[in-house]
Amino acid sequence: QLQLQESGPGLVKPSETLSLTCTVSGGSISSSSYYWGWIRQPPGKGLEWIGSIYYSGSTYYNPSLKSRVTISVDTSKNQFSLKLSSVTAADTAVYYCASVRYSGSYPDYYYYGMDVWGQGTTVTVSS
Amino acid sequence: DIQMTQSPSSVSASVGDRVTITCRASQGISSWLAWYQQKPGKAPKLLIYAASSLQSGVPSRFSGSGSGTDFTLTISSLQPEDFATYYCQQANSFPLFTFGPGTKVDIK
Repeated sequence: QLQLQESGPGLVKPSETLSLTCTVSGGSISSSSYYWGWIRQPPGKGLEWIGSIYYSGSTYYNPSLKSRVTISVDTSKNQFSLKLSSVTAADTAVYYCASVRYSGSYPDYYYYGMDVWGQGTTVTVSS
Repeated sequence: DIQMTQSPSSVSASVGDRVTITCRASQGISSWLAWYQQKPGKAPKLLIYAASSLQSGVPSRFSGSGSGTDFTLTISSLQPEDFATYYCQQANSFPLFTFGPGTKVDIK
C-alpha cells in the first residue's frame, strides 16, 4: 500500500527558499506507473498544482511558478523534493505530495488520477 | 493554458438529495478529467478519473460524465459523509494539470 509523507520546516522567512521532502513508502519511486507531484492549498482557497517529476528526473512545472520552483528526485532514498525560492506571504499554504498514476507513453498517455496523497504539511511565510 | 471553471461554487442539499456539479474546460480535453473530494483538514481523495471511471473503493452513488469541455459529477443520494468540497482537474496536458476552483456541498 503506497504511502506518502511530507516533511520540512513549517516556518520560512520572506525572500528565503521553502524546502520540502516527500518520502514514498510501500512502493518504489522508480515505478514506471507513476509520476510524482506537488500541490498546494492556501488557507481557505482551492488546490494549485505546483509541478510533477518522473523518477528519471524529468520535470514539469506550473507556468505561474516555474521561475521559482525546482523539483528533484532521490531514488536511493525513495524521496522527491520541492524547492520554492523568493517566498512571500502568498506562498503560505498546506503543501501536499501525491502519486500521479498513469500508463502508456508520449503522446498516448492514460491518466488514472492522483491516487495517493500525503497528509499535507503547513508552511507559513513570516518574519 | 487550460482554465477550469465549476458551478455552482456552493450548494446546500439534504441527505438523500441528488446533487450535480458541473465543470467546464476552456478548451477541449477529451475525457481527461478527474474529480476529487476534500473534507476540512484532510487531503483530497480521488473519486473519478477519465471523466467516468470510478476509483476503487468509491461508493457507486458517485458518477461522472462528459467529454470535450463539459463534465458533471453526480451524487445520486447524498449521504452525511458526502458533505465536502469537490474539485475537478484536467489532465489533457499530462503531466501538467489544472484544478477547478471547487464546489462546496453543505447541509441545507
